[in-house]
Amino acid sequence: GAGVSQTPSNKVTEKGKYVELRCDPISGHTALYWYRQSLGQGPEFLIYFQGTGAADDSGLPNDRFFAVRPEGSVSTLKIQRTERGDSAVYLCASSLTGKTEAFFGQGTRLTVV
Amino acid sequence: KNEVEQSPQNLTAQEGEFITINCSYSVGISALHWLQQHPGGGIVSLFMLSSGKKKHGRLIATINIQEKHSSLHITASHPRDSAVYICAVVRGGADGLTFGKGTHLIIQP
Repeated sequence: GAGVSQTPSNKVTEKGKYVELRCDPISGHTALYWYRQSLGQGPEFLIYFQGTGAADDSGLPNDRFFAVRPEGSVSTLKIQRTERGDSAVYLCASSLTGKTEAFFGQGTRLTVV
Repeated sequence: KNEVEQSPQNLTAQEGEFITINCSYSVGISALHWLQQHPGGGIVSLFMLSSGKKKHGRLIATINIQEKHSSLHITASHPRDSAVYICAVVRGGADGLTFGKGTHLIIQP
């Protein structure tokens, strides 16, 4: 596609539920990143994919968070047993190689009530 | 201490003023990004630089690798420049971005 697409744009879920957030990167971009941004803060790194593999998942806060990119294109960020503290904007970015300019999606605003 | 520090955190200026936003970092980097974020969350990459200076329209970005410092300048500022400006670095040997907390800029007409 023309840009990085994230769906849904907004998600409200109840505490304890499972959610999936989707990122569709720019076609041909091998690098894909997930970030989380809380209100008033800069984004924080969660996980980086190079192709299908997670090259760096050191930013995932705990084992409730998991991400996949099975075919090296679309990625899904999965959050189990959501907590109110998970409420944030989840941003996805892609770049051609990982060392080039990153392009960001519009983000998914997750609200856990 | 954060690895990437920005100043000021908030800046309000009048239309036409020359704006400077500063970024200091404490780690070795391979590149530095300046990003613009408007209300609603969308982030746009303004510059990616690893040395020297880049200019695009009214925006100028500079970096001093020895001093671990970068500046973003806006000339002839306009209310549409109002946004959060974020500095982010690519740490040497790593991938992914480490972000500053952003500078919230408001340009008043």
